[in-house]
Amino acid sequence: AQSVTQLDSHVSVSEGTPVLLRCNYSSSYSPSLFWYVQHPNKGLQLLLKYTSAATLVKGINGFEAEFKKSETSFHLTKPSAHMSDAAEYFCVVSGGTGRRALTFGSGTRLQVQP
Amino acid sequence: DTAVSQTPKYLVTQMGNDKSIKCEQNLGHDTMYWYKQDSKKFLKIMFSYNNKELIINETVPNRFSPKSPDKAHLNLHINSLELGDSAVYFCASSLMGPGYGYTFGSGTRLTVV
Repeated sequence: AQSVTQLDSHVSVSEGTPVLLRCNYSSSYSPSLFWYVQHPNKGLQLLLKYTSAATLVKGINGFEAEFKKSETSFHLTKPSAHMSDAAEYFCVVSGGTGRRALTFGSGTRLQVQP
Repeated sequence: DTAVSQTPKYLVTQMGNDKSIKCEQNLGHDTMYWYKQDSKKFLKIMFSYNNKELIINETVPNRFSPKSPDKAHLNLHINSLELGDSAVYFCASSLMGPGYGYTFGSGTRLTVV
């Protein structure tokens, strides 16, 4: 069994300040972890993924995430927010080698203030 | 050069009607999925096909029937539409195996009136 908890449903930052979106996971397997972004009325785009290689993962648009097994966390960060980063962000876990269903977190809405 | 394409993008229909949503991927992936996103943005797996074979069938009413004529296509047919079926439906594809991310289509917004 696997689950994902996104600790904040809504995060608001000012443009140019750091972004932190928090995610904790639970998995019976060695998990693969992902962050997806969904802009308003758009599909989902893969930001980055962790697949048991380096624990610090770099993604697109300056985002990165660190896998911490001891804390079962996979928080998403960005040093400096842009207005275009305003969107819904989903932390996702995939586990096991059989079923390939992704389990999505409930999402965090990131608002960027000018 | 769209990777995962869904049609239609918007679908408004009356209760009781039957409708289909089509999905095609040109990525050479062997696994395709349907996800439902509800009004609170929560995404949940509905079905998954690997090389035209059904491998995941979550608790979905049997009014929903996926069909995969080949591994590049996964269509979703819905019979006797109900108000509660209103949602955004996303098709996705991936390669089988741990660590592969999904490529999602842009979604189909279904509104049942």
